[in-house]
Amino acid sequence: AQTVTQSQPEMSVQEAETVTLSCTYDTSESDYYLFWYKQPPSRQMILVIRQEAYKQQNATENRFSVNFQKAAKSFSLKISDSQLGDAAMYFCAYRAPYYGGSQGNLIFGKGTKLSVKP
Amino acid sequence: NAGVTQTPKFQVLKTGQSMTLQCAQDMNHNSMYWYRQDPGMGLRLIYYSASEGTTDKGEVPNGYNVSRLNKREFSLRLESAAPSQTSVYFCASRVNPNSYEQYFGPGTRLTVT
Repeated sequence: AQTVTQSQPEMSVQEAETVTLSCTYDTSESDYYLFWYKQPPSRQMILVIRQEAYKQQNATENRFSVNFQKAAKSFSLKISDSQLGDAAMYFCAYRAPYYGGSQGNLIFGKGTKLSVKP
Repeated sequence: NAGVTQTPKFQVLKTGQSMTLQCAQDMNHNSMYWYRQDPGMGLRLIYYSASEGTTDKGEVPNGYNVSRLNKREFSLRLESAAPSQTSVYFCASRVNPNSYEQYFGPGTRLTVT
């Protein structure tokens, strides 16, 4: 079974600095998708960034970028120029492609709570 | 578009009571999902519906039932609520099972006393 592990329950960063959140996963699949979701205090789940496993290039979305290491099964999120609005829970999630016995469901890590200090 | 909507936003139940959580999406998505989120845990899948007319169990289905009423609506029922079902419940939808993005509702905070 696939699993997702976020080893940092809490992280803190100074405003305008850079922070990296870690995520590792376990799978026997070669083709899959990885996501980072943000959950602010409002509880709304917001997709931050996604990565397709077949793509070697790391995904970037403005101040957010990932370091995808397929062999190591590692998928970290880097937030540059941190802002107060970045304070939230961040969840790493894995999804296998939808085929055969796989329904393509999301499997989430336990989350990392990010605080941003002014 | 309202996206994914859930009702109610908050609910308090006594042990043994029943209730139905409602979810609707207006994006013409085929696939819909119910998750629960407990403190210190990520979201865990309760049930899903890959397409209208089908439902399947997820990771934690015990104590729940679902109904895919039509393409728009996917409800989650607790027949006899237990304190262990105190949680935040999220509904989500996707265009189809292989789509990239999953859209989440705002969540329902349920407390069972």
